[in-house]
Amino acid sequence: GAVVSQHPSRVICKSGTSVKIECRSLDFQATTMFWYRQFPKQSLMLMATSNEGSKATYEQGVEKDKFLINHASLTLSTLTVTSAHPEDSSFYICSARDGSGGFNEQFFGPGTRLTVL
Amino acid sequence: QKEVEQNSGPLSVPEGAIASLNCTYSDRGSQSFFWYRQYSGKSPELIMSIYSNGDKEDGRFTAQLNKASQYVSLLIRDSQPSDSATYLCAVISLNDYKLSFGAGTTVTVRA
Repeated sequence: GAVVSQHPSRVICKSGTSVKIECRSLDFQATTMFWYRQFPKQSLMLMATSNEGSKATYEQGVEKDKFLINHASLTLSTLTVTSAHPEDSSFYICSARDGSGGFNEQFFGPGTRLTVL
Repeated sequence: QKEVEQNSGPLSVPEGAIASLNCTYSDRGSQSFFWYRQYSGKSPELIMSIYSNGDKEDGRFTAQLNKASQYVSLLIRDSQPSDSATYLCAVISLNDYKLSFGAGTTVTVRA
């Protein structure tokens, strides 16, 4: 399958600071990338859909000014958690859609574990 | 709101047995169906995709899709301890390409 990377894999920050997470598709071009959040023992929750060259679409209840998403190229999307608070501590996972060939498979990055102190 | 329901776990099977996972979905517009495996503390890994009615086999995994019944299943044959994980059923409708996930079924394979 296609490879998606995320960086950093783990980050610890102080409350009030901002954290940027990068998501890259390594061997395919991803017109669409998705950002998820997963709390312990829960399933993935979609936060936003990111399309290259356009504004991200946020799911209901997700603050767009707090979770800034940029999809500047076909292989890179970034999520910035602004003014992070302890309740933002979670496992953030991106996925990239490989739409080539008419299929809709999404491949996930390894995730970023964010801890806000 | 698309809903995806999976059979409640946890599911415990002896090594070498067949693990059977079930999933139903509410959106008749769903077109693509996936099974992901997620190990504890890791991100989901795509193990099967299925798009048309019938069976699809890949190694020890077999996915079955019945669109009329809005049902998709996953069979794991000759289960191994390394198959112990949470299995997520996910569906996509062509309207928005968003994945809707089930809550997951945790499988434990006993050695």
